[in-house]
Amino acid sequence: GENVEQHPSTLSVQEGDSAVIKCTYSDSASNYFPWYKQELGKRPQLIIDIRSNVGEKKDQRIAVTLNKTAKHFSLHITETQPEDSAVYFCAAGTNQAGTALIFGKGTTLSVSS
Amino acid sequence: ETGVTQTPRHLVMGMTNKKSLKCEQHLGHNAMYWYKQSAKKPLELMFVYNFKEQTENNSVPSRFSPECPNSSHLFLHLHTLQPEDSALYLCASSQASSANTEAFFGQGTRLTVV
Repeated sequence: GENVEQHPSTLSVQEGDSAVIKCTYSDSASNYFPWYKQELGKRPQLIIDIRSNVGEKKDQRIAVTLNKTAKHFSLHITETQPEDSAVYFCAAGTNQAGTALIFGKGTTLSVSS
Repeated sequence: ETGVTQTPRHLVMGMTNKKSLKCEQHLGHNAMYWYKQSAKKPLELMFVYNFKEQTENNSVPSRFSPECPNSSHLFLHLHTLQPEDSALYLCASSQASSANTEAFFGQGTRLTVV
């Protein structure tokens, strides 16, 4: 089955700096790669996703890149703000019926002002 | 958002008790999932239901028993749990047959086994 590795487990940056979180996956059949943000005491929520037919996707300060050959994808947050502090999870999956997203272990991002 | 609702939000139970967690989704999705979130293994997949049929049981102990009576409701029946089962249990749903496979999560049930 799919295995998703995520690094680093914790990341501390100064406000305004960039943050990068990296993930690798094992199943070449995976074609959907979402990123979820979980604030303290709240549910995980999708912030951006990318599909295997695209190499990069950007939404304001957040971008995701995908290297399907190397089976890795990354989340980039620019101009970080204190409200970006949260746990970020990457995941991999397919659009096949009956399959579920497999998540990485999460990265705790702390943005200090 | 109230697309995926879980009850109760908090549950304390003894090791000999039997309890059930409930999840309800109002998004018209046809797939539902149970995840366990703990410090050791964040977002660990437990069960997958697709069109009310269980399609995956991720080596979960039999003291956890899922039930999916229809595509909108999912239960997790608990009996003779262990203290190490204390965790946040998250339900999620998605539209499995669509190209958009975003999973929507409920708020979770914080379970404490004493």
